[in-house]
Amino acid sequence: EPEVTQTPSHQVTQMGQEVILRCVPISNHLYFYWYRQILGQKVEFLVSFYNNEISEKSEIFDDQFSVERPDGSNFTLKIRSTKLEDSAMYFCASRGTLREEQYFGPGTRLTVT
Amino acid sequence: AQSVTQLGSHVSVSEGALVLLRCNYSSSVPPYLFWYVQYPNQGLQLLLKYTSAATLVKGINGFEAEFKKSETSFHLTKPSAHMSDAAEYFCAVSQFTGGGNKLTFGTGTQLKVEL
Repeated sequence: EPEVTQTPSHQVTQMGQEVILRCVPISNHLYFYWYRQILGQKVEFLVSFYNNEISEKSEIFDDQFSVERPDGSNFTLKIRSTKLEDSAMYFCASRGTLREEQYFGPGTRLTVT
Repeated sequence: AQSVTQLGSHVSVSEGALVLLRCNYSSSVPPYLFWYVQYPNQGLQLLLKYTSAATLVKGINGFEAEFKKSETSFHLTKPSAHMSDAAEYFCAVSQFTGGGNKLTFGTGTQLKVEL
């Protein structure tokens, strides 16, 4: 069964460093998303991406964040200068059509020290 | 605008008892509604979804949910709890108005199943 994959499963970085979280969505999907979940809190939407551009972003997704689909298979989230409060589980999701559910990857746990 | 309220951050039931997890939504247009389950240290797995067809939706692992427009509710039920149902459950709403169609999640309900 096709699945969304994410790498790495756990990333530890120092405050101020850049990180790139990688996702491989399901191959024929067209809509891509990043969400995050701070420990003990609810899952929050960060950004959606369709047709090689951002279609919607939340207030969390400020200038420190960017997304890219560099090669037609990967979908990346970059945090330019990490802060302690960026520590969270980051989930990638993809969807085939607007009427389907979103399929989530297993997540990347980001720890900023 | 859309939002989800899950009543009860923690629910505890005995094995074999009825499971009822509550979800109320707010949406300016007809919503699509979802229940996801998250086991410890894992990602989100879809349990079931409502997409404007039948109002009673059956999902995996014996769960079902009923969409009640008049009550703006989408409560999740299971007739008989099993130990393996212990997990966190998230209700989510999406609006198909074009654009990104993001999911908005509730705060989650931790289900504990006791012997």
